Amino acid sequence: ETGVTQSPTHLIKTRGQQVTLRCSSQSGHNTVSWYQQALGQGPQFIFQYYREEENGRGNFPPRFSGLQFPNYSSELNVNALELDDSALYLCASSLGGQGEYEQYFGPGTRLTVT
Amino acid sequence: KQEVTQIPAALSVPEGENLVLNCSFTDSAIYNLQWFRQDPGKGLTSLLLIQSSQREQTSGRLNASLDKSSGRSTLYIAASQPGDSATYLCAASGTYKYIFGTGTRLKVLA
Repeated sequence: ETGVTQSPTHLIKTRGQQVTLRCSSQSGHNTVSWYQQALGQGPQFIFQYYREEENGRGNFPPRFSGLQFPNYSSELNVNALELDDSALYLCASSLGGQGEYEQYFGPGTRLTVT
Repeated sequence: KQEVTQIPAALSVPEGENLVLNCSFTDSAIYNLQWFRQDPGKGLTSLLLIQSSQREQTSGRLNASLDKSSGRSTLYIAASQPGDSATYLCAASGTYKYIFGTGTRLKVLA
């Protein structure tokens, strides 16, 4: 059974650019959640996708957007990058969108904005 | 609004000590409480998950307890080793998302 995978591992972008991060969910999981972890902080919830629909959103501006595909993989898109967007981006997959389902985390994508 | 706090923020202990990491949460309506380990620059490694109906979980030298009524969880590490050095995060699961604490940075000295 393949776990959660993310690509790319590392990424360097310039302020104002756009970036797309990718996540493949664990086999059998239909839900993907995205988190942002700034240096020295705990991960912060960005949004969740359940069966291709957004199921909840944290306190992030609209330039953070996402997508989930029929195979339940997901993308996180960030437009107009700012220096404060530099962080580790984690995705997690689960069997469902409700809180009782354990979330399984990928290794993360390290984004640096210069 | 759920808030999760971890105390202490950092801890340094000599090898072999038993230690306790604390996690508190403000809203007792949680589904699960999960402990993670994070090495510098790396992702999250799940250590233990306690369901809301459970009181504790054990794995090897690790034991996690949950007291929903008081809004507290503790992670007990027995006979600490230098390889245990890492940041430990707790997360409370709400309706659909995890709320994380800011972590306890542990250093075990040889």
